[in-house]
Amino acid sequence: TQLLEQSPQFLSIQEGENLTVYCNSSSVFSSLQWYRQEPGEGPVLLVTVVTGGEVKKLKRLTFQFGDARKDSSLHITAAQPGDTGLYLCAGSMDTGRRALTFGSGTRLQVQP
Amino acid sequence: GAVVSQHPSRVICKSGTSVKIECRSLDFQATTMFWYRQFPKQSLMLMATSNEGSKATYEQGVEKDKFLINHASLTLSTLTVTSAHPEDSSFYICSARLGARAEAFFGQGTRLTVV
Repeated sequence: TQLLEQSPQFLSIQEGENLTVYCNSSSVFSSLQWYRQEPGEGPVLLVTVVTGGEVKKLKRLTFQFGDARKDSSLHITAAQPGDTGLYLCAGSMDTGRRALTFGSGTRLQVQP
Repeated sequence: GAVVSQHPSRVICKSGTSVKIECRSLDFQATTMFWYRQFPKQSLMLMATSNEGSKATYEQGVEKDKFLINHASLTLSTLTVTSAHPEDSSFYICSARLGARAEAFFGQGTRLTVV
């Protein structure tokens, strides 16, 4: 059972469309990160959210942390082919476990 | 952000041989590093937590004698895949967290192919 569930698992859209990726859990996280990974490379950090209800913007990307710190969303406006990749959410828990808990991943393909 | 360097990026080896993968934190000291395995089109699966100066902590189902981890300094952790078999072929990624901060920074990954 995946502690962090992402949806959708796969998304293929046309350039210019908007999309939202969800990251849900029944557990509370002290912080949550979003990463983007391209084939053959390691994940690259996009953002960290810490406070319940927090909203962060990174150009066309908007990240939100749920009020209860159990879920998060990533919204992309006017998607571009360069946004193509695997999007991963990862959470940090206050359990002394230092490793991040990763979501199941969302593979995004933006067609030109 | 912090820089984590992983080497080699690709390696092909014969069945039965061992392969060592290095993970270095270039601009910070990492008392703890993490090793992940990633299958095609899937998320990262934590294999073990590497602790500087002490034994690594392995996740359930990961053979510690198969995947040897050494973390001899604050900037270097190594993963050795011993007696490799084709089923060990995968993408291996290391990461480190920057002190008390939550973010993890990742190496470039190593594509291991066992033939």
